[in-house]
Amino acid sequence: GAVVSQHPSWVICKSGTSVKIECRSLDFQATTMFWYRQFPKQSLMLMATSNEGSKATYEQGVEKDKFLINHASLTLSTLTVTSAHPEDSSFYICSARSSGRYEQYFGPGTRLTVT
Amino acid sequence: DAKTTQPNSMESNEEEPVHLPCNHSTISGTDYIHWYRQLPSQGPEYVIHGLTSNVNNRMASLAIAEDRKSSTLILHRATLRDAAVYYCIHNNNDMRFGAGTRLTVKP
Repeated sequence: GAVVSQHPSWVICKSGTSVKIECRSLDFQATTMFWYRQFPKQSLMLMATSNEGSKATYEQGVEKDKFLINHASLTLSTLTVTSAHPEDSSFYICSARSSGRYEQYFGPGTRLTVT
Repeated sequence: DAKTTQPNSMESNEEEPVHLPCNHSTISGTDYIHWYRQLPSQGPEYVIHGLTSNVNNRMASLAIAEDRKSSTLILHRATLRDAAVYYCIHNNNDMRFGAGTRLTVKP
């Protein structure tokens, strides 16, 4: 099956700093990537959808200036959490989908802890 | 907003079949029905998807109602490794998840 990786798998940062999370599709071209975050015992919450080469489309309530998404190539998307605060601590998950396909493949997730 | 309705939790005995239902009464004619599952502290895993006809793969079977307003994910013989939260979603471009069904498998 298709493989999606995320890096780092976990990160601890201090309040006010920025953190970048990478999402890579390893064996297919991801024309569309999705970013989710998940709080404990809750479902995944879609943050944004990005198509390669285009600006990301953010869900209502998600600050695009705080959660910067770049999808510059068909195998890489990045999510940068700027000026992180403790309430940004969460499990961030990306997924990827190739052109003409409807199923998406998920990365293993990145656990962010902001102290 | 979640467009699907699933039971919050279900239990099964090991090696018995499990039928996980999902209602998606607002589905449009071109939406595929997708099922994913998520184990603790992991990203979700693709299980199966379909449009109108029933689908089978190595993981599960998907039975789709004739009016497409509901579907059932069938695990033919549940194992302890199948314990997870199962999500069904529909909409080809809007991949928002509902609360899912937490499946517990008892040995």
